[in-house]
Amino acid sequence: DTAVSQTPKYLVTQMGNDKSIKCEQNLGHDTMYWYKQDSKKFLKIMFSYNNKELIINETVPNRFSPKSPDKAHLNLHINSLELGDSAVYFCASSQERDRGRDEKLFFGSGTQLSVL
Amino acid sequence: GENVEQHPSTLSVQEGDSAVIKCTYSDSASNYFPWYKQELGKGPQLIIDIRSNVGEKKDQRIAVTLNKTAKHFSLHITETQPEDSAVYFCAARRGRGAQKLVFGQGTRLTINP
Repeated sequence: DTAVSQTPKYLVTQMGNDKSIKCEQNLGHDTMYWYKQDSKKFLKIMFSYNNKELIINETVPNRFSPKSPDKAHLNLHINSLELGDSAVYFCASSQERDRGRDEKLFFGSGTQLSVL
Repeated sequence: GENVEQHPSTLSVQEGDSAVIKCTYSDSASNYFPWYKQELGKGPQLIIDIRSNVGEKKDQRIAVTLNKTAKHFSLHITETQPEDSAVYFCAARRGRGAQKLVFGQGTRLTINP
């Protein structure tokens, strides 16, 4: 069983379209994330979300919005896609631990988004 | 905020040799430093981490060293094998919360048979 699964693996679409990427984790973690990896492999956090708060990286355009129907899912909706949105998007999850212990991130295998 | 610089961006070594990847960080209050390995077509996976109260940590063929004074930490892989070929990311974090992790730019490591 894949711990963090995201679909689709590849997404090719036209500029201006609206698309969604789905993510599910079966680890029982309480926090989920979306990361963007650009063509130079640079990894940047977009959102983190648990049932208490949504933390948004201030550089993320408001065309991007996370939607969490329940604790095990965090989907990413993108409106009015632009050429610059082309990248690999990774979902991840972690379990908030007691003070002094560190949260290990578990990543999905990524969604390659190509905007034409 | 935190800034993490990683070098080199690409590294090629002969199988059996050692590989070293270095990172520097800017925030002296950072206290947690993980390393992630990303294989082709997969997401990053944690391979080793170190906290600021420890100078070195080892797990079989991989080790991480931390120099808090100089604000740099390094990943050492000994007796490299073809399956070590991947992109490696260092990261640094101040305080708690995985969302505070700041990643380096990544190093593409190639092991030549």
